[in-house]
Amino acid sequence: ETGVTQTPRHLVMGMTNKKSLKCEQHLGHNAMYWYKQSAKKPLELMFVYSLEERVENNSVPSRFSPECPNSSHLFLHLHTLQPEDSALYLCASSQDRAGYGYTFGSGTRLTVV
Amino acid sequence: KQEVTQIPAALSVPEGENLVLNCSFTDSAIYNLQWFRQDPGKGLTSLLLIQSSQREQTSGRLNASLDKSSGRSTLYIAASQPGDSATYLCAVKRSNFNKFYFGSGTKLNVKP
Repeated sequence: ETGVTQTPRHLVMGMTNKKSLKCEQHLGHNAMYWYKQSAKKPLELMFVYSLEERVENNSVPSRFSPECPNSSHLFLHLHTLQPEDSALYLCASSQDRAGYGYTFGSGTRLTVV
Repeated sequence: KQEVTQIPAALSVPEGENLVLNCSFTDSAIYNLQWFRQDPGKGLTSLLLIQSSQREQTSGRLNASLDKSSGRSTLYIAASQPGDSATYLCAVKRSNFNKFYFGSGTKLNVKP
């Protein structure tokens, strides 16, 4: 493990389900990120949290809802997803917004059926 | 908008070869550039980070160079090993922003 832990590692959900992805870091970092990695496409930044405040939302559909209750935990709540949302969802953290010590988790492989 | 391109998309080499992976970016006003490694189905591991004021960074058999004026970076891997097989991603951070722009990666296969 890199210091950033994501659960679950794999998730299969129907289009009407509601599920949540969890990310946890104990590196003392102040910034946390959600990325989406689809097949044969570059990583897409979804959300950025700095000191528990959302500072960036890259035009992500509202069916993805992030939550950052404290500087160590980040959630991504999912509801009424589409099959094209199937991807590897990666969480990352860094010491600050400048990005020092950027560390990724192992990701959650999401399949929407 | 910053665009990052990596060539080639895939590379297969015999063990022991020295190889070069290429990364190009369209906007030279960068804060830093980072090379990552990703194993199948896994997250990313940072390999080397080059600040905009630096020309290169080295770690073991890896050497990364940066030429901001031409918008290019290379990752040199010496004496490649099967354990080097992975996808290598280049990411550029813009000045004063914390967003990384990622390339699509080069998938490397080192054959025993």
